[in-house]
Amino acid sequence: QSALTQPASVSGSPGQSITISCTGTSSDVGNYNYVSWYQQHPGKAPKLMIYGVSSRPSGISNRFSGSKSANTASLTISGLQAEDEADYYCTSYTSSSTWVFGGGTKLTVL
Amino acid sequence: EVQLVESGGGLVQSGGSLRLSCVASGFTFSSYWMSWVRQVPGKGLVWVSHIHNDGSRTSYADSVKGRFTISRDNAKDTLYLQMNSLRAEDTAVYFCATDLARGPQVWGQGTLVTVSS
Repeated sequence: QSALTQPASVSGSPGQSITISCTGTSSDVGNYNYVSWYQQHPGKAPKLMIYGVSSRPSGISNRFSGSKSANTASLTISGLQAEDEADYYCTSYTSSSTWVFGGGTKLTVL
Repeated sequence: EVQLVESGGGLVQSGGSLRLSCVASGFTFSSYWMSWVRQVPGKGLVWVSHIHNDGSRTSYADSVKGRFTISRDNAKDTLYLQMNSLRAEDTAVYFCATDLARGPQVWGQGTLVTVSS
């Protein structure tokens, strides 16, 4: 159950777009469309931003989008805003009937 | 209001036991898989365990298998995590959450478990 691989940090200026990658294997990301993305502000519970690779829950801005290619999923945030600064985590279902999270990515809005 | 409220965390000695509870309200608890996820303060999220809607299926992370037991009481809208043989590395904030596969999701505010060695 190795963690999915995410960049430790990404940054962008307000209005720009950024993409966070989440790399797994054929036993998780590559084999299931059960990939979710979470936003977490300090001291808060995680907040679901994307599920099922690319679906957005009601109330989540369409500035957030998800995709997947082979063993790598991606979260793209367009039109960066100051409030997007947070930690982001991906998770995927696995062939062992478990879930695995990525190590997390700290997004800094410059 | 849709919410999950965890309780049962605290300070315990290495080798000891704790039982966490997670009470659901505002939604049909029995319709959802439920998960426990933990987070060492300042570190990343780690999946711990999940349980099927009716409790018939469970899975665990390798790090807790054989020591932790997940269960639920749908009549009480409550999820549990029995934690035995606790180790220092189990120290974390423990969150309960609804089905990680779909949205919307509900997460609790977390309960802190501290294992002293």
